Amino acid sequence: GQSLEQPSEVTAVEGAIVQINCTYQTSGFNGLFWYQQHAGEAPTFLSYNVLDGLEEKGRFSSFLSRSKGYSYLLLKELQMKDSASYLCAVILGGGSYIPTFGRGTSLIVHP
Amino acid sequence: DTEVTQTPKHLVMGMTNKKSLKCEQHMGHRAMYWYKQKAKKPPELMFVYSYEKLSINESVPSRFSPECPNSSLLNLHLHALQPEDSALYLCASSQVGTGPYEQYFGPGTRLTVT
Repeated sequence: GQSLEQPSEVTAVEGAIVQINCTYQTSGFNGLFWYQQHAGEAPTFLSYNVLDGLEEKGRFSSFLSRSKGYSYLLLKELQMKDSASYLCAVILGGGSYIPTFGRGTSLIVHP
Repeated sequence: DTEVTQTPKHLVMGMTNKKSLKCEQHMGHRAMYWYKQKAKKPPELMFVYSYEKLSINESVPSRFSPECPNSSLLNLHLHALQPEDSALYLCASSQVGTGPYEQYFGPGTRLTVT
């Protein structure tokens, strides 16, 4: 079967740096996506990794290690508006383009 | 235009009603999806259309009936729903192929079944 694990909740202080982890055990791998979802709203795409290493996009960076089945999302200079759920999703490959979502991590940013 | 639109935003329906949810995208995406999402849970895949053909039905009860009239439109017809079907229904679209390709989500329809 496929499994993606994320912590259920992470808290941090405004202005700080926070890391949200995602580990996966899947039968195939063709990429990992990170989405942000504010309460009651739709998920929005943040970043994706196909190869090992770090992808940087402004205040957000995502890292992937395929050999370890591990990814993290790094958020810098946290703002209150970053309080949201963060979902990792794996594309299994083998012709499939449909993501398998993790359960999401709720990030709470305190002043 | 990188927008997926959904109507209505909110829907309240009784268990004997028939209603439809609508989704539209003009990004030329050939895969369209319906998801159901309960509070504090990840989106749960219901249906996938690829090139206007139903390619995945995740054992969804027949009271949910999807339809893809053309490459830009996706409908979800609802009939005889149960209170536990109350949820946020999300439509998404993406490219199809070796990718990987991110999904673009609509704002969702908040459905309440009374």
